[in-house]
Amino acid sequence: ETGVTQTPRHLVMGMTNKKSLKCEQHLGHNAMYWYKQSAKKPLELMFVYNFKEQTENNSVPSRFSPECPNSSHLFLHLHTLQPEDSALYLCASSQVRTGGDEAFFGQGTRLTVV
Amino acid sequence: DQQVKQNSPSLSVQEGRISILNCDYTNSMFDYFLWYKKYPAEGPTFLISISSIKDKNEDGRFTVFLNKSAKHLSLHIVPSQPGDSAVYFCAASAFGGATNKLIFGTGTLLAVQP
Repeated sequence: ETGVTQTPRHLVMGMTNKKSLKCEQHLGHNAMYWYKQSAKKPLELMFVYNFKEQTENNSVPSRFSPECPNSSHLFLHLHTLQPEDSALYLCASSQVRTGGDEAFFGQGTRLTVV
Repeated sequence: DQQVKQNSPSLSVQEGRISILNCDYTNSMFDYFLWYKKYPAEGPTFLISISSIKDKNEDGRFTVFLNKSAKHLSLHIVPSQPGDSAVYFCAASAFGGATNKLIFGTGTLLAVQP
């Protein structure tokens, strides 16, 4: 496989469930990201990992818990979510360098919280 | 307050004609701009970028124009093809294009009619 792959593609979960989203990048990049895209809103950056270290958490509620065991894998652990957390969750990776780094995105996980 | 605005939610163009997608920004510190394209059920893919030291960047059928005084950039697609039908996101950064500093617009849905 090449690029950035996310599983599952679709997820329906209850508010009391615990689930995890998985992301894997095969590009040798040194940074990985979680984004949230809600309907009619811009992409919102949630978390950033550089060389497996979390460098940013953009005021994301604690019911979202990221994990980056190595530079190729990124997880988003979900628990006690709310219906308003229903959205498309996108993983991305990039090679951080001076002059700009283009992000490569996965296909996303469409999450529905019921 | 949105720093990157795509005021047209949708645009319809005939095949072979020019598509012009617009993006306005408010932060004069932005120095790097990107366009991403997103098909349904796929993640955004990088299309083209421009640094603030330039006013034009061209890649095949795609050209991005930057007007810093007006804080406006546009993406021109000539000639438009049905395969160009997608959502186009404009993004901007004040830190040399670092992905973790990108601010995205809400997107414009382009429909190219055969």
